[in-house]
Amino acid sequence: GAVVSQHPSWVICKSGTSVKIECRSLDFQATTMFWYRQFPKQSLMLMATSNEGSKATYEQGVEKDKFLINHASLTLSTLTVTSAHPEDSSFYICSARGEPGRTEPYEQYFGPGTRLTVT
Amino acid sequence: GQNIDQPTEMTATEGAIVQINCTYQTSGFNGLFWYQQHAGEAPTFLSYNVLDGLEEKGRFSSFLSRSKGYSYLLLKELQMKDSASYLCAVLDSNYQLIWGAGTKLIIKP
Repeated sequence: GAVVSQHPSWVICKSGTSVKIECRSLDFQATTMFWYRQFPKQSLMLMATSNEGSKATYEQGVEKDKFLINHASLTLSTLTVTSAHPEDSSFYICSARGEPGRTEPYEQYFGPGTRLTVT
Repeated sequence: GQNIDQPTEMTATEGAIVQINCTYQTSGFNGLFWYQQHAGEAPTFLSYNVLDGLEEKGRFSSFLSRSKGYSYLLLKELQMKDSASYLCAVLDSNYQLIWGAGTKLIIKP
C-alpha cells in the first residue's frame, strides 16, 4: 500500500513553454503532498507544501507564479512549470504524507520522479 | 538555523559492514528518517527513530541519540545493490522534513 505515481516520468520541452506534472496517491488519501526539486549530485530541495483544497505554501526563493501547484482532490496534486527555461531542467519529485495509523508518523511516500529537460 | 551533516561519500567492500553517521541541529525534533535513493530514482523509506536506541531491521539498523543530536545507519553484509545515496532527514517542530545532503555509498567487490 501507500503508492504514489507521477506522470510523466520524463519530458523534454522548448524554452518558453509550460509543462504540467501530475502526482497521484493510488491507494490512500493524501491531504498533504510535497513537491521537491533535485539537481544532480545534490539533495532534495523542498519547493512547496500542497494541502488539499487550499493554497500551496512555497519555500523561500521559489516563485509561486512560475511553479503553479494545484491540489484539487485528496489523490491528485499538479505542478505546472510555466515559461520554462533551461535552468529549470531538473528532477522533480512529489511525495504524499501517509495516513495516521497506517504508516510511521508523518512518513512521506515518494513518487518515481519526473526528469524535465528544457531546451 | 537548521543543519544536518552527513559525509558526502563513503566506500566499502562487498560483504563488510559500514556505518553512516548523521548529526543534526534543528528547531525541535519529532523523529529522524533514513531513506535510500538509487541514482535517477526517488527515495525509499528505510527507518524511523524517535526514541533513543537501536532499531534493527534485517541487514539495516538505525541508532539515535537525541541528547547528542546524532544518528547512524548501519548496513551489514553489504551487497552490490546497496550502492546508493543514503539520506538522513529530521522532522522538526513544525513537522517539516529537513534533509541532509545525502551520503553516496560505493560498494566495491
